[in-house]
Amino acid sequence: DTAVSQTPKYLVTQMGNDKSIKCEQNLGHDTMYWYKQDSKKFLKIMFSYNNKELIINETVPNRFSPKSPDKAHLNLHINSLELGDSAVYFCASSQVGSDEKLFFGSGTQLSVL
Amino acid sequence: SQQGEEDPQALSIQEGENATMNCSYKTSINNLQWYRQNSGRGLVHLILIRSNEREKHSGRLRVTLDTSKKSSSLLITASRAADTASYFCASKTTGNQFYFGTGTSLTVIP
Repeated sequence: DTAVSQTPKYLVTQMGNDKSIKCEQNLGHDTMYWYKQDSKKFLKIMFSYNNKELIINETVPNRFSPKSPDKAHLNLHINSLELGDSAVYFCASSQVGSDEKLFFGSGTQLSVL
Repeated sequence: SQQGEEDPQALSIQEGENATMNCSYKTSINNLQWYRQNSGRGLVHLILIRSNEREKHSGRLRVTLDTSKKSSSLLITASRAADTASYFCASKTTGNQFYFGTGTSLTVIP
């Protein structure tokens, strides 16, 4: 079974549209994240949720809104998509602890036309 | 930005050779981790070294950490074509945040 699964894998859409990416983890972890990887492979944290509460909100446009209905799910909704939003978005999860490590989903490649 | 840096950006070696990649980070850390990313896939955790450790081994992987220089290195010995991937370091800060390096793209030629 896939530990961290996100859908869809590919998302092609027009500028101005609203889209969502879903993420689920079955590892029982208490923390979930969204990362953005740009074309140069730079990986940057966007949001972090711990037990459904927002912990980290890096400098991200407010067009991006994470939603965590329960600690196993963290969805990302993006309003009014822009060309610069094109990237690969990764969901990840972890269990808080001294040797905490991240488990990543396989990514969603978003292309805004 | 808290993003770390890695060098080289790209590395191409022959199968059987060793590959070394370096990472520098910016803040105080609890530990430093290395991840691997195959093309079109998510990152996979490889190895973790704590801030009070200087060297760690796991199979063909050897990691070193120098907290005075805020740097780490990953050595892959006896490389295989299947090791072709991008490798990222991630510093886990004392504030419990993860910051990734810029990545090293490794190509192992059969």
